[in-house]
Amino acid sequence: AQSVTQLDSHVSVSEGTPVLLRCNYSSSYSPSLFWYVQHPNKGLQLLLKYTSAATLVKGINGFEAEFKKSETSFHLTKPSAHMSDAAEYFCVVSNSNDYKLSFGAGTTVTVRA
Amino acid sequence: DGGITQSPKYLFRKEGQNVTLSCEQNLNHDAMYWYRQDPGQGLRLIYYSQIVNDFQKGDIAEGYSVSREKKESFPLTVTSAQKNPTAFYLCASSMSRTPGLAGVAGHEQYFGPGTRLTVT
Repeated sequence: AQSVTQLDSHVSVSEGTPVLLRCNYSSSYSPSLFWYVQHPNKGLQLLLKYTSAATLVKGINGFEAEFKKSETSFHLTKPSAHMSDAAEYFCVVSNSNDYKLSFGAGTTVTVRA
Repeated sequence: DGGITQSPKYLFRKEGQNVTLSCEQNLNHDAMYWYRQDPGQGLRLIYYSQIVNDFQKGDIAEGYSVSREKKESFPLTVTSAQKNPTAFYLCASSMSRTPGLAGVAGHEQYFGPGTRLTVT
């Protein structure tokens, strides 16, 4: 079985300050991990993925995430938030022997001017 | 221009009517998926298909049906048996249907823009 817990349902930051979205996972096998972003009334867009290569993963729009096996975490960060980063973010896990994705409940990011 | 299209973007139906949501992809992906999204929740898997003419139930298949007659198309029918059909529906596709095939351990899925269904 696999599951994901996003530790914050809502994060509010000021423009130009760092963003941290926390994600813990559980998986019976070697996991693949993803972060997706969803803007209002839109589909999901892949930000980045971890698939057992480098533990620090760089994605689009300046986001990056670090896979920490000992902590079963895959937190998403960005050094400087932009107004366009306001959206909902989903942490997702997939087992290496399965194609099914398990989604976290999502974290809503608000960016203050 | 490759991608996944869903139509319509907004759909309104009366209770008791069946409705079919369209999903088409030109990415040449083997696998396709339907998800339901409700406010404040993550995505829940309704049905998935790994290959043409084959599909499996996901976690919340009751009240829904699908078909996969063509590789590029995976329509979803919301039947009158679905107790709470109002939701945002997302279709997705992925390249590999077999875990680990061709080094694609990630199986990332690509999503369409969604259809918002309102049933009154």
